[in-house]
Amino acid sequence: DVKVTQSSRYLVKRTGEKVFLECVQDMDHENMFWYRQDPGLGLRLIYFSYDVKMKEKGDIPEGYSVSREKKERFSLILESASTNQTSMYLCASRERGAPNQPQHFGDGTRLSIL
Amino acid sequence: GQNIDQPTEMTATEGAIVQINCTYQTSGFNGLFWYQQHAGEAPTFLSYNVLDGLEEKGRFSSFLSRSKGYSYLLLKELQMKDSASYLCAVSLNTDKLIFGTGTRLQVFP
Repeated sequence: DVKVTQSSRYLVKRTGEKVFLECVQDMDHENMFWYRQDPGLGLRLIYFSYDVKMKEKGDIPEGYSVSREKKERFSLILESASTNQTSMYLCASRERGAPNQPQHFGDGTRLSIL
Repeated sequence: GQNIDQPTEMTATEGAIVQINCTYQTSGFNGLFWYQQHAGEAPTFLSYNVLDGLEEKGRFSSFLSRSKGYSYLLLKELQMKDSASYLCAVSLNTDKLIFGTGTRLQVFP
C-alpha cells in the first residue's frame, strides 16, 4: 500500500511566521502535489512537482513556495503566514504517466494561523 | 476553463440506494475518479472510469458518459459508515486532477 505521511496533523502558528509543512511518500512516485481544502471550495492545487527540483504552480500559489530536494519528500512553505492561510492542507503523490492510477493522499495538516 | 459540478449535500436512509451526479467541462480528459472522504480524514480512492459505461465494485458502481460530460456514483444498501463526502475528479491530459467541491452524504437510520 502507498503511504503518504504528513509531518503534523494539527499546527498552530502566528501571523508573519515562516511555516514548513513536510510530506514523505514511500512508493517512488515522481509526481507530488500540495492542496488546500476549504468548505465550499473543495480541493485547490497550490503546487505540483513532477521530479526532483522540478515544480509547477497550481491554481493558488500566491503566498506559498515548495521544495523538492529528494524524490520522496515534498515541502510546502508559507513564507509569511497570514490568517487567510488557515486551512486543511493535503499532500498527495501519484505515478507519472499513468492516468488510470489515483492520487494517494496523506492524512492532512489542519493549520491555524493566529 | 475547468468546471466540475456536484450537488453540495444529499441525505438518504440506511439500506436505500443513492446516486451522486457529477458533470464536467474540462480542457482535457484522461478519465474520471471518485474519492470518499470521511470528516477529518484523507480522501480515499473509490473508482476510475475512462470508457463509457458502468463499473461495478461491490456496493459501489460508477458510470461515465464522455459525450455528455457526465458521471454518477451509485451506492447500494447504504450503511451508516457511508456518511462522508464524495469527490468527483477529472484527470486532465497531464498528471493533474481537477476536483469538484464534493457532495456531503448523510445516511440516517
